[in-house]
Amino acid sequence: DQQVKQNSPSLSVQEGRISILNCDYTNSMFDYFLWYKKYPAEGPTFLISISSIKDKNEDGRFTVFLNKSAKHLSLHIVPSQPGDSAVYFCAASEADMRFGAGTRLTVKP
Amino acid sequence: KAGVTQTPRYLIKTRGQQVTLSCSPISGHRSVSWYQQTPGQGLQFLFEYFSETQRNKGNFPGRFSGRQFSNSRSEMNVSTLELGDSALYLCASSLGPAPGYNSPLHFGNGTRLTVT
Repeated sequence: DQQVKQNSPSLSVQEGRISILNCDYTNSMFDYFLWYKKYPAEGPTFLISISSIKDKNEDGRFTVFLNKSAKHLSLHIVPSQPGDSAVYFCAASEADMRFGAGTRLTVKP
Repeated sequence: KAGVTQTPRYLIKTRGQQVTLSCSPISGHRSVSWYQQTPGQGLQFLFEYFSETQRNKGNFPGRFSGRQFSNSRSEMNVSTLELGDSALYLCASSLGPAPGYNSPLHFGNGTRLTVT
């Protein structure tokens, strides 16, 4: 069962604009959430996380928002850069970590 | 500090064979998790080990098994390979017994398994 869902398989944005990647989850017991970024031929790398007791966490150009009532998570990248082009996975954890299917972000120069 | 190391990087096997994949976690990390990545399915959780004990298991058939050694290195075994087992197998390590807020997963580059 897909407890973590990323409904957009791909997203394309212009350099300098905002990228918004979305994620929905079904398990209300998840207690923290993360975003990972993956380049081809490499493993995913940790980007940013948020605890379920918070609704926002910011790290440089990356901000993660959590809406617990809607069971929705989003990642904002501002401004987007061509080097941000990658597959982004959202993940949620209770006893173990579950991942979404990923969204391929393309940032065009 | 060396990252998570997975060997081999690429593997080609035929249906019915078995395969063993290896993972060396980051030094000091005691938890190792395994994931299968296929196009469109994202990362599917296989199992997690901590201190040589399997703590959690995903929804995979019994043909998929694993173990962890006293030095935290882990192996994953798939028996009676099927075509659908072709995937990228990722290993990840973390400091604590379960990936926590201050202990995210650190992934290796994966083993690409092709079953023909």
